[in-house]
Amino acid sequence: DSGVTQTPKHLITATGQRVTLRCSPRSGDLSVYWYQQSLDQGLQFLIQYYNGEERAKGNILERFSAQQFPDLHSELNLSSLELGDSALYFCASSTTGADTQYFGPGTRLTVL
Amino acid sequence: GEDVEQSLFLSVREGDSSVINCTYTDSSSTYLYWYKQEPGAGLQLLTYIFSNMDMKQDQRLTVLLNKKDKHLSLRIADTQTGDSAIYFCAEIGSGGGADGLTFGKGTHLIIQP
Repeated sequence: DSGVTQTPKHLITATGQRVTLRCSPRSGDLSVYWYQQSLDQGLQFLIQYYNGEERAKGNILERFSAQQFPDLHSELNLSSLELGDSALYFCASSTTGADTQYFGPGTRLTVL
Repeated sequence: GEDVEQSLFLSVREGDSSVINCTYTDSSSTYLYWYKQEPGAGLQLLTYIFSNMDMKQDQRLTVLLNKKDKHLSLRIADTQTGDSAIYFCAEIGSGGGADGLTFGKGTHLIIQP
Protein backbone atom coordinates (compact mmCIF):
# COMPACT_ATOMS: atom_id res chain seq x y z
CA ASP A 1 0.00 0.00 0.00
CA SER A 2 1.62 3.23 -1.21
CA GLY A 3 -0.51 5.51 0.96
CA VAL A 4 -2.04 7.22 -2.09
CA THR A 5 -5.79 6.71 -2.31
CA GLN A 6 -8.03 7.09 -5.33
CA THR A 7 -11.79 6.98 -5.68
CA PRO A 8 -13.78 5.55 -7.24
CA LYS A 9 -12.10 2.31 -8.19
CA HIS A 10 -14.32 1.79 -11.21
CA LEU A 11 -16.47 4.20 -13.19
CA ILE A 12 -18.78 3.39 -16.09
CA THR A 13 -20.39 6.22 -17.99
CA ALA A 14 -21.67 7.21 -21.41
CA THR A 15 -20.16 9.29 -24.18
CA GLY A 16 -20.65 13.02 -23.74
CA GLN A 17 -20.80 12.79 -19.95
CA ARG A 18 -18.53 14.37 -17.34
CA VAL A 19 -16.81 12.58 -14.45
CA THR A 20 -14.58 13.54 -11.53
CA LEU A 21 -11.80 11.35 -10.22
CA ARG A 22 -10.40 11.97 -6.77
CA CYS A 23 -6.96 11.45 -5.28
CA SER A 24 -5.54 11.86 -1.79
CA PRO A 25 -1.75 11.98 -1.64
CA ARG A 26 0.47 10.31 0.94
CA SER A 27 0.63 12.13 4.24
CA GLY A 28 3.21 14.90 3.95
CA ASP A 29 3.38 14.90 0.15
CA LEU A 30 2.80 18.27 -1.48
CA SER A 31 2.79 17.25 -5.12
CA VAL A 32 0.21 15.27 -7.07
CA TYR A 33 0.54 13.89 -10.59
CA TRP A 34 -2.08 12.41 -12.91
CA TYR A 35 -1.33 9.73 -15.49
CA GLN A 36 -3.44 7.88 -18.04
CA GLN A 37 -2.80 4.25 -18.93
CA SER A 38 -4.37 2.92 -22.11
CA LEU A 39 -3.60 -0.06 -24.31
CA ASP A 40 -2.59 2.01 -27.31
CA GLN A 41 -0.81 4.95 -25.64
CA GLY A 42 0.69 3.21 -22.60
CA LEU A 43 1.32 5.33 -19.51
CA GLN A 44 1.20 9.04 -20.19
CA PHE A 45 1.78 11.96 -17.87
CA LEU A 46 -1.15 14.36 -17.82
CA ILE A 47 -0.53 17.08 -15.25
CA GLN A 48 1.24 17.92 -12.00
CA TYR A 49 0.24 20.11 -9.08
CA TYR A 50 2.42 21.30 -6.25
CA ASN A 51 0.93 22.77 -3.10
CA GLY A 52 -2.21 23.87 -4.92
CA GLU A 53 -0.53 25.30 -8.02
CA GLU A 54 -0.22 23.75 -11.45
CA ARG A 55 3.45 22.95 -12.06
CA ALA A 56 3.66 20.99 -15.29
CA LYS A 57 1.42 19.86 -18.10
CA GLY A 58 1.89 16.77 -20.19
CA ASN A 59 -0.42 15.26 -22.80
CA ILE A 60 -3.62 16.49 -21.21
CA LEU A 61 -6.59 17.15 -23.48
CA GLU A 62 -8.43 20.46 -23.27
CA ARG A 63 -11.55 18.52 -22.22
CA PHE A 64 -9.68 17.45 -19.09
CA SER A 65 -8.85 19.67 -16.15
CA ALA A 66 -7.51 19.18 -12.66
CA GLN A 67 -7.09 21.04 -9.43
CA GLN A 68 -5.45 20.57 -6.06
CA PHE A 69 -7.27 21.77 -2.99
CA PRO A 70 -5.91 23.37 0.21
CA ASP A 71 -6.02 20.00 1.97
CA LEU A 72 -3.81 18.75 -0.92
CA HIS A 73 -6.27 16.27 -2.37
CA SER A 74 -6.71 16.53 -6.11
CA GLU A 75 -9.49 16.03 -8.59
CA LEU A 76 -9.27 15.24 -12.28
CA ASN A 77 -12.30 16.32 -14.28
CA LEU A 78 -12.99 14.67 -17.62
CA SER A 79 -15.74 16.14 -19.78
CA SER A 80 -17.41 15.45 -23.13
CA LEU A 81 -16.20 11.91 -22.74
CA GLU A 82 -15.37 9.83 -25.79
CA LEU A 83 -14.93 6.09 -26.19
CA GLY A 84 -11.19 6.62 -26.45
CA ASP A 85 -11.06 8.10 -22.97
CA SER A 86 -11.63 4.63 -21.53
CA ALA A 87 -8.45 3.94 -19.57
CA LEU A 88 -6.91 3.49 -16.18
CA TYR A 89 -6.19 6.84 -14.51
CA PHE A 90 -3.46 6.92 -11.91
CA CYS A 91 -2.62 9.52 -9.38
CA ALA A 92 0.87 9.69 -7.88
CA SER A 93 2.32 11.86 -5.15
CA SER A 94 5.75 12.99 -4.10
CA THR A 95 7.07 15.04 -1.23
CA THR A 96 8.86 17.89 -2.95
CA GLY A 97 7.59 17.60 -6.50
CA ALA A 98 11.04 16.60 -7.71
CA ASP A 99 11.49 13.26 -6.01
CA THR A 100 10.20 9.70 -6.16
CA GLN A 101 6.55 9.32 -7.13
CA TYR A 102 4.29 6.83 -5.37
CA PHE A 103 1.23 5.65 -7.24
CA GLY A 104 -2.32 5.02 -6.15
CA PRO A 105 -4.34 1.95 -7.20
CA GLY A 106 -5.97 3.79 -10.11
CA THR A 107 -9.50 4.46 -11.32
CA ARG A 108 -10.70 2.38 -14.24
CA LEU A 109 -12.93 4.49 -16.48
CA THR A 110 -15.14 2.81 -19.04
CA VAL A 111 -16.98 5.02 -21.52
CA LEU A 112 -19.83 3.26 -23.35
CA GLY B 1 10.90 14.08 -27.34
CA GLU B 2 12.08 11.62 -24.76
CA ASP B 3 11.55 7.96 -25.45
CA VAL B 4 11.90 4.81 -23.35
CA GLU B 5 12.01 1.41 -25.03
CA GLN B 6 11.53 -2.04 -23.56
CA SER B 7 10.91 -5.45 -25.04
CA LEU B 8 7.30 -6.54 -24.55
CA PHE B 9 7.77 -10.05 -23.16
CA LEU B 10 10.29 -12.07 -21.19
CA SER B 11 9.81 -15.71 -20.28
CA VAL B 12 11.99 -17.36 -17.63
CA ARG B 13 11.97 -20.55 -15.60
CA GLU B 14 11.17 -20.39 -11.91
CA GLY B 15 14.42 -20.15 -9.95
CA ASP B 16 16.39 -18.59 -12.82
CA SER B 17 17.44 -14.96 -13.02
CA SER B 18 15.35 -12.52 -15.05
CA VAL B 19 16.99 -9.61 -16.81
CA ILE B 20 14.71 -6.87 -18.11
CA ASN B 21 16.31 -4.29 -20.35
CA CYS B 22 15.43 -0.70 -21.13
CA THR B 23 16.90 2.02 -23.32
CA TYR B 24 16.17 5.71 -23.08
CA THR B 25 16.98 8.75 -25.16
CA ASP B 26 16.98 11.67 -22.72
CA SER B 27 20.61 12.31 -21.85
CA SER B 28 19.52 14.68 -19.10
CA SER B 29 17.72 11.93 -17.17
CA THR B 30 18.48 12.33 -13.50
CA TYR B 31 16.67 9.36 -12.01
CA LEU B 32 15.63 6.08 -13.58
CA TYR B 33 12.96 3.91 -12.03
CA TRP B 34 11.54 0.44 -12.16
CA TYR B 35 7.87 -0.02 -11.34
CA LYS B 36 5.94 -3.29 -11.14
CA GLN B 37 2.28 -3.71 -12.07
CA GLU B 38 0.40 -6.86 -11.18
CA PRO B 39 -2.90 -7.66 -12.92
CA GLY B 40 -5.63 -5.26 -11.86
CA ALA B 41 -3.30 -3.40 -9.55
CA GLY B 42 -1.52 -0.08 -9.43
CA LEU B 43 2.15 0.70 -9.99
CA GLN B 44 4.46 -0.42 -7.24
CA LEU B 45 7.85 1.29 -6.99
CA LEU B 46 10.51 -1.42 -7.03
CA THR B 47 13.73 0.54 -7.09
CA TYR B 48 15.45 3.52 -8.64
CA ILE B 49 18.94 4.64 -9.53
CA PHE B 50 20.47 8.07 -9.73
CA SER B 51 22.14 8.86 -13.03
CA ASN B 52 25.62 9.16 -11.51
CA MET B 53 25.51 5.57 -10.26
CA ASP B 54 26.43 2.44 -12.20
CA MET B 55 24.78 -0.17 -10.05
CA LYS B 56 22.35 -0.55 -7.18
CA GLN B 57 21.50 -3.73 -5.34
CA ASP B 58 18.46 -4.30 -3.17
CA GLN B 59 17.92 -7.88 -1.99
CA ARG B 60 17.01 -9.91 -5.12
CA LEU B 61 17.05 -6.84 -7.36
CA THR B 62 20.10 -5.47 -9.15
CA VAL B 63 19.91 -2.38 -11.33
CA LEU B 64 22.67 -1.66 -13.82
CA LEU B 65 23.00 1.66 -15.59
CA ASN B 66 25.19 2.31 -18.62
CA LYS B 67 24.83 6.05 -19.05
CA LYS B 68 27.01 6.17 -22.16
CA ASP B 69 24.72 3.74 -23.99
CA LYS B 70 21.59 5.00 -22.18
CA HIS B 71 20.84 1.44 -21.15
CA LEU B 72 19.21 0.33 -17.92
CA SER B 73 18.61 -3.22 -16.75
CA LEU B 74 16.80 -4.88 -13.87
CA ARG B 75 17.97 -8.29 -12.74
CA ILE B 76 15.71 -10.35 -10.51
CA ALA B 77 17.55 -13.22 -8.88
CA ASP B 78 15.81 -16.53 -8.11
CA THR B 79 12.64 -15.55 -9.98
CA GLN B 80 9.44 -16.73 -8.29
CA THR B 81 5.85 -17.06 -9.52
CA GLY B 82 5.00 -13.97 -7.47
CA ASP B 83 7.33 -11.97 -9.74
CA SER B 84 4.95 -12.48 -12.64
CA ALA B 85 3.87 -8.95 -13.60
CA ILE B 86 4.52 -6.09 -16.01
CA TYR B 87 7.71 -4.18 -15.30
CA PHE B 88 7.97 -0.56 -16.36
CA CYS B 89 11.13 1.41 -16.83
CA ALA B 90 10.67 5.16 -16.32
CA GLU B 91 12.89 8.19 -16.40
CA ILE B 92 12.70 11.75 -15.25
CA GLY B 93 14.67 14.55 -16.78
CA SER B 94 16.74 17.35 -15.35
CA GLY B 95 13.56 19.30 -14.64
CA GLY B 96 12.97 16.98 -11.71
CA GLY B 97 9.32 16.23 -11.09
CA ALA B 98 8.29 19.18 -13.19
CA ASP B 99 7.83 17.16 -16.33
CA GLY B 100 6.38 13.88 -15.12
CA LEU B 101 7.77 10.42 -15.64
CA THR B 102 8.30 9.03 -19.13
CA PHE B 103 7.47 5.33 -19.16
CA GLY B 104 8.34 2.47 -21.45
CA LYS B 105 5.52 0.25 -22.70
CA GLY B 106 6.34 -2.35 -20.06
CA THR B 107 7.82 -5.86 -20.15
CA HIS B 108 5.50 -8.76 -19.32
CA LEU B 109 7.51 -11.20 -17.20
CA ILE B 110 6.19 -14.75 -17.63
CA ILE B 111 7.36 -17.42 -15.21
CA GLN B 112 7.48 -21.01 -16.38
CA PRO B 113 7.27 -23.71 -13.69
